[in-house]
Amino acid sequence: DGGITQSPKYLFRKEGQNVTLSCEQNLNHDAMYWYRQDPGQGLRLIYYSQIVNDFQKGDIAEGYSVSREKKESFPLTVTSAQKNPTAFYLCASSTTGYNEQFFGPGTRLTVL
Amino acid sequence: QQPVQSPQAVILREGEDAVINCSSSKALYSVHWYRQKHGEAPVFLMILLKGGEQKGHEKISASFNEKKQQSSLYLTASQLSYSGTYFCGTIHTGTASKLTFGTGTRLQVTL
Repeated sequence: DGGITQSPKYLFRKEGQNVTLSCEQNLNHDAMYWYRQDPGQGLRLIYYSQIVNDFQKGDIAEGYSVSREKKESFPLTVTSAQKNPTAFYLCASSTTGYNEQFFGPGTRLTVL
Repeated sequence: QQPVQSPQAVILREGEDAVINCSSSKALYSVHWYRQKHGEAPVFLMILLKGGEQKGHEKISASFNEKKQQSSLYLTASQLSYSGTYFCGTIHTGTASKLTFGTGTRLQVTL
């Protein structure tokens, strides 16, 4: 079955530690995205990539980093510079930047 | 420039209709609509493109007024399964396909 996988589903980390969230897709999509969602809020774009080895900052990129070395993978690192990292993180992909986005199940990160 | 959605929340009885609005202060290339159930990932409903093209589920109806930079999602004969939070996302003319989501409209359908 084609789709997007994110792991883990729940993640707990101590304050000051970097953590990497995984996102993999087998839909052969060129574009991939990372969003952050806080309780009762919409989705805010962290980073997006329209093609392998290229990515752009979204609206809230500070404290985050990404890489796009393979078409199917777009990992997100939450660094210690991110002041309030506890949130629900969603990864998505699309054929192009203008088409519908397919979302993974999300990772709920809690920083203690 | 986050799009503005209205209403913020609505409660319907099963079978009733609802309209959710999305407006932008900048010229739009396209509007996307998604529904998210609690604790789950958003699911695509529809895309409306400048020029009139639409892509999406047959049972979903929406409009796009390019001049007013507004879109509306029409939910008719609502079912319990329609409950969730509806988000519009906008891509502005001249931007590099960056989708910006609104803060959502929470819809609850009751018996």
